[in-house]
Amino acid sequence: SQQGEEDPQALSIQEGENATMNCSYKTSINNLQWYRQNSGRGLVHLILIRSNEREKHSGRLRVTLDTSKKSSSLLITASRAADTASYFCATDEGSNFGNEKLTFGTGTRLTIIP
Amino acid sequence: NAGVMQNPRHLVRRRGQEARLRCSPMKGHSHVYWYRQLPEEGLKFMVYLQKENIIDESGMPKERFSAEFPKEGPSILRIQQVVRGDSAAYFCASSPGMDARALRGPQHFGDGTRLSIL
Repeated sequence: SQQGEEDPQALSIQEGENATMNCSYKTSINNLQWYRQNSGRGLVHLILIRSNEREKHSGRLRVTLDTSKKSSSLLITASRAADTASYFCATDEGSNFGNEKLTFGTGTRLTIIP
Repeated sequence: NAGVMQNPRHLVRRRGQEARLRCSPMKGHSHVYWYRQLPEEGLKFMVYLQKENIIDESGMPKERFSAEFPKEGPSILRIQQVVRGDSAAYFCASSPGMDARALRGPQHFGDGTRLSIL
């Protein structure tokens, strides 16, 4: 499997429900980031969690990081139709300076059903 | 406060032609990154540049691809003699880079150039 691999590949839930996406990686990291990509657009940064952090919150987003399992999860609570997008995790694997070479997973396509 | 600007948004080329993709980083950002995204896949790192310097081009094919970030003007990703396999979305990102802490922050992405090869 590739560095920064997400699961599930696709997720459909009803509006108002919570959505959980997972990401696994292989090598040691300094930080892990989650990005959102709407169809035909660029990536929007959501949240960054450093390797010495275990959990981080930002609005309706909650990210956890387990460096012993080399995995992270993104939880979106009280989902909205506007949350429909693809979500990618990215690590700094291979970077020499901390963040210059992001390695992305294949993403989770989230669909919120109104 | 403009974000990362990429142009063109869509580019169509015939096999053998050259493609030039432009990226203007966010104001105040001196570090530029190029990524390629194939359909239904994540982004793949290509090259990292600072003004007038290529820092890391380990993700860029050795032939036909080149990148620059001149002292003045946008960063350019150039693909010579394009082939069908070059069809993809090419994204540029930028970040400030005045200190080590800034390098650990997020990269800011443009909306990409979708390159189609006929």
